[in-house]
Amino acid sequence: EAGVVQSPRYKIIEKKQPVAFWCNPISGHNTLYWYLQNLGQGPELLIRYENEEAVDDSQLPKDRFSAERLKGVDSTLKIQPAELGDSAVYLCASSQRTGGTDTQYFGPGTRLTVL
Amino acid sequence: GEDVEQSLFLSVREGDSSVINCTYTDSSSTYLYWYKQEPGAGLQLLTYIFSNMDMKQDQRLTVLLNKKDKHLSLRIADTQTGDSAIYFCAEKGYSTLTFGKGTMLLVSP
Repeated sequence: EAGVVQSPRYKIIEKKQPVAFWCNPISGHNTLYWYLQNLGQGPELLIRYENEEAVDDSQLPKDRFSAERLKGVDSTLKIQPAELGDSAVYLCASSQRTGGTDTQYFGPGTRLTVL
Repeated sequence: GEDVEQSLFLSVREGDSSVINCTYTDSSSTYLYWYKQEPGAGLQLLTYIFSNMDMKQDQRLTVLLNKKDKHLSLRIADTQTGDSAIYFCAEKGYSTLTFGKGTMLLVSP
């Protein structure tokens, strides 16, 4: 079974440019997460989707970040315009509730460098 | 709010046991997780434990949970050089995971 797929793996852009990241979750997983991981830190949740509905976007900086999951499968996270401080790894994860748990499985991440 | 603390670094010799410790603050945590992250990679799920358990063993991995002290540990038996990575503890509250900053494990031959 394929894991969580993310692209691109690496992206280098100049500040003020837009950038988009794509995620394909594990087949059958209804819940999708976007996390931000700064250097030397653990992942921090940006947004969580249940199917196509964003149920927790309280940590998403909505002035420049947006996300969508139109058909409840793939998702895109966008930054416009990017700032130097956005340089980080953006991780996507997915889960499916079975029994009492919904264990999250992570993709390889997209490493963003803003110059 | 939730907070998860881990020691930042652990160095062991190949063949020794490694013990990585974690403390958390959310008493309503339902599950606690251990993830492994190798350089340039995402997080790989290693194991998890339900909050009403006090121990779980999975091959070389042993997880101990002291719910009273909100202390979680991961023991890796017969540590190998391939175990060198960053290990993240995470606790699950109502719907989200809160991660620690990770413990870098360095295994020397």
